[in-house]
Amino acid sequence: DGGITQSPKYLFRKEGQNVTLSCEQNLNHDAMYWYRQDPGQGLRLIYYSQIVNDFQKGDIAEGYSVSREKKESFPLTVTSAQKNPTAFYLCATSGTGAIYEQYFGPGTRLTVT
Amino acid sequence: GQNIDQPTEMTATEGAIVQINCTYQTSGFNGLFWYQQHAGEAPTFLSYNVLDGLEEKGRFSSFLSRSKGYSYLLLKELQMKDSASYLCAVKLSGGYNKLIFGAGTRLAVHP
Repeated sequence: DGGITQSPKYLFRKEGQNVTLSCEQNLNHDAMYWYRQDPGQGLRLIYYSQIVNDFQKGDIAEGYSVSREKKESFPLTVTSAQKNPTAFYLCATSGTGAIYEQYFGPGTRLTVT
Repeated sequence: GQNIDQPTEMTATEGAIVQINCTYQTSGFNGLFWYQQHAGEAPTFLSYNVLDGLEEKGRFSSFLSRSKGYSYLLLKELQMKDSASYLCAVKLSGGYNKLIFGAGTRLAVHP
């Protein structure tokens, strides 16, 4: 089955710890994205990558880091520098070049206490 | 700046028709997407408009007026499973597929 997987569905961490969220896709899409969703707000772009070994900051990149070593994988690390890390995190993929819709993974709900 | 406005909540009756509006003011425009998102789940693609007019897809239709910065999503023959949030997203002009999302409209369908 083609798709996007994010694991785990729910993640709990203590304040001050770094945590890495996984995103894997087998859609053969070049572009991958990380969004954050908070209640009452639209999805906000954290980082995006259009090609392997390249990625760019989105609108709210502070306190986050990413890597893109393989086409299929785009992990997101939430560092202790992120002031309000508790949120629903969504990974998405799309084709590049023309206007393609973005496909979303099932999301990871991160709670930091 | 970028601004996308949608009503926060709407309610409708099963079998009825509902229209969800979206207005936008963005620096550049290269298309508008509508997504459906059930609580706690991934958004799923519903429709895309880049030219003015109506796009129909089964029970769902989407309309765009670029001169007015306005779009709507029309849902017909509402079903209980249509209870979800509906996200409006504008694709900006430029090199990559950047979307700016509205906060979403939470639709409740009741019997």
